[in-house]
Order: sequence, then C-alpha cells, then structure tokens
Amino acid sequence: AQSVTQPDIHITVSEGASLELRCNYSYGATPYLFWYVQSPGQGLQLLLKYFSGDTLVQGIKGFEAEFKRSQSSFNLRKPSVHWSDAAEYFCAVGSAGKSTFGDGTTLTVKP
Amino acid sequence: DTAVSQTPKYLVTQMGNDKSIKCEQNLGHDTMYWYKQDSKKFLKIMFSYNNKELIINETVPNRFSPKSPDKAHLNLHINSLELGDSAVYFCASSPRSNPTSLNTEAFFGQGTRLTVV
Repeated sequence: AQSVTQPDIHITVSEGASLELRCNYSYGATPYLFWYVQSPGQGLQLLLKYFSGDTLVQGIKGFEAEFKRSQSSFNLRKPSVHWSDAAEYFCAVGSAGKSTFGDGTTLTVKP
Repeated sequence: DTAVSQTPKYLVTQMGNDKSIKCEQNLGHDTMYWYKQDSKKFLKIMFSYNNKELIINETVPNRFSPKSPDKAHLNLHINSLELGDSAVYFCASSPRSNPTSLNTEAFFGQGTRLTVV
C-alpha cells in the first residue's frame, strides 16, 4: 500500500528566508509524486509533479522539489519565501487511479 | 471558466437530513473523485469514478452514494447526516486512470464546507 508522511505539521519562516518542506513516501514501484498547495478557503492547486527523468523538478511560484529514491523523499524547496506563500502544503503519491495525500504542513510566514 | 465546480460552497443542515453536493468538470477528463478533508485538514479519498463507473470506494459508509450521470458530473448524495460528516468535501478530476497508465495530477474544485448541527 502506498503512504505519504509529512513529518512537519507546522513550519514558520521569515519572509525572504529559504524553505524546505519534507515528504517521505512508501510505494512498491516507481512513484508518481506531487506537491499541492491549499490557500485558506480554497481548493488544492498543483505546484509540481514528478513521474520520471530529471530528479529535480521545477514548479510554479518559484518552487522546486527533488526526488531521492534512496531516501524515499520528495522534499519541496523555495529559495526565498513570500508572505503570499503562507498556506497548507500537501505531498501526494499517485497510482492506480488515486492519489494518497500526506497530512499536510502548515506554512506561516513572518514579516 | 471554472474547470471543476462544486455547488453549494457552504451547506449547513441538521442531523438526520439528506443532502446532495454537485460537481461538474469542463476539462473533458475521464476520471472524477470525491475527497473528504476533516477539521485537522487530513485529506482522504472517498470515491473514484472512471467514465461513469465506480473504481474506488474507500470504505465509506453506505449513507454516502455517489452518482455519475455522465463523465462530466459526479454528485455526492448523503443520507441521514451525522455530526461526524462535518468536513470540507472536494471534488476533483484527472485526464485518465487505470492501473497501468500514468496517474496524472488531479484538478480540484473549491470545496464544499458541510456543517451538520
């Protein structure tokens, strides 16, 4: 069975600082991995995805993520956080018709 | 144009009532889903439909009955509502889904906040 773990429930960073959100997955084959962002009162928006190929993937809003098979990780990064990045972030692994989501990480951005 | 639209956005109802949430996608996708997000923001899949056929039912109580009149619509009907049904329900769609195909990303609606009192 596939599963996703986001170890950090809540992260606070200062505006302009770098960000890394952790994601670990469990899946028997090559995983299809996603990061979504949910702004308050909104649905989920895809930030980026990994299917195969280059293990460093670029997404929207200046985000990137790196797939590391040896660590079963797909961590999300951004070099300089903006106040508008404050939101809930979900990592997901997909296969066979569904995506399994992690429990989310809440990002707070301090001025 | 809204890609995945759900109605209503907010729904407040009493215990024991029956209610429906509607979902429509105009993306031409084959697969549609219902997800439930609880108060702790945990997001769990409930159902998945591919071309109007149910392919995933994640041990959801049978008070929940999805209905797909065509592949652009997936409605969720809930009978005998309980307090624990209070949550945000998200509809989503994706281009295709079968066990041997790539699993592409899902496009989500804005959610329906259901409050049972």
